[in-house]
Amino acid sequence: GQQVMQIPQYQHVQEGEDFTTYCNSSTTLSNIQWYKQRPGGHPVFLIQLVKSGEVKKQKRLTFQFGEAKKNSSLHITATQTTDVGTYFCAGRNTGGFKTIFGAGTRLFVKA
Amino acid sequence: DTGVSQDPRHKITKRGQNVTFRCDPISEHNRLYWYRQTLGQGPEFLTYFQNEAQLEKSRLLSDRFSAERPKGSFSTLEIQRTEQGDSAMYLCASSLGDTDNEKLFFGSGTQLSVL
Repeated sequence: GQQVMQIPQYQHVQEGEDFTTYCNSSTTLSNIQWYKQRPGGHPVFLIQLVKSGEVKKQKRLTFQFGEAKKNSSLHITATQTTDVGTYFCAGRNTGGFKTIFGAGTRLFVKA
Repeated sequence: DTGVSQDPRHKITKRGQNVTFRCDPISEHNRLYWYRQTLGQGPEFLTYFQNEAQLEKSRLLSDRFSAERPKGSFSTLEIQRTEQGDSAMYLCASSLGDTDNEKLFFGSGTQLSVL
């Protein structure tokens, strides 16, 4: 069945350092989404990528969707303490109904 | 409040008891999802509704789990004969169902503890 894998599981950074999390799917995806979950909270949508090779930016966050539509990455430039949380990628198979989540990357930012 | 609401927020039950959770999605959303999340893991897909039709159910889900969305609005998730392994956060999410916009809106979840 469809699997979505994320690395790393955890990342500790000093405030101001960059951070990247990577997502890989065992199958070709129709879209990839990224969510952020703060400790004690629920996942909150960040962005969706649909096109092969697509790159989107939100302020300090850069999202990429691979050419084969099987991998994606999220890069945060100059992390801040407000970036703390767990970042999940989630993908849906072409023609499928369900959105499958990766296990997430938990980001710790030290001031 | 036009967000996704879930009830109850917390449920403590004894092993073997039945529990039912409710989810009220955003009113114009026709897609509704149930997920389960345990500590340190991502949300695990349980089931999906398009309006009132249950279109997919996880093969990992035992027969003790059942979900309904009778009129295409709110949904209920029932767990029969609960086991300690059922302890988790149960999340409901809804989406507009537009092919180009699969943005999921999550509720705050129901935290289930089975003693």
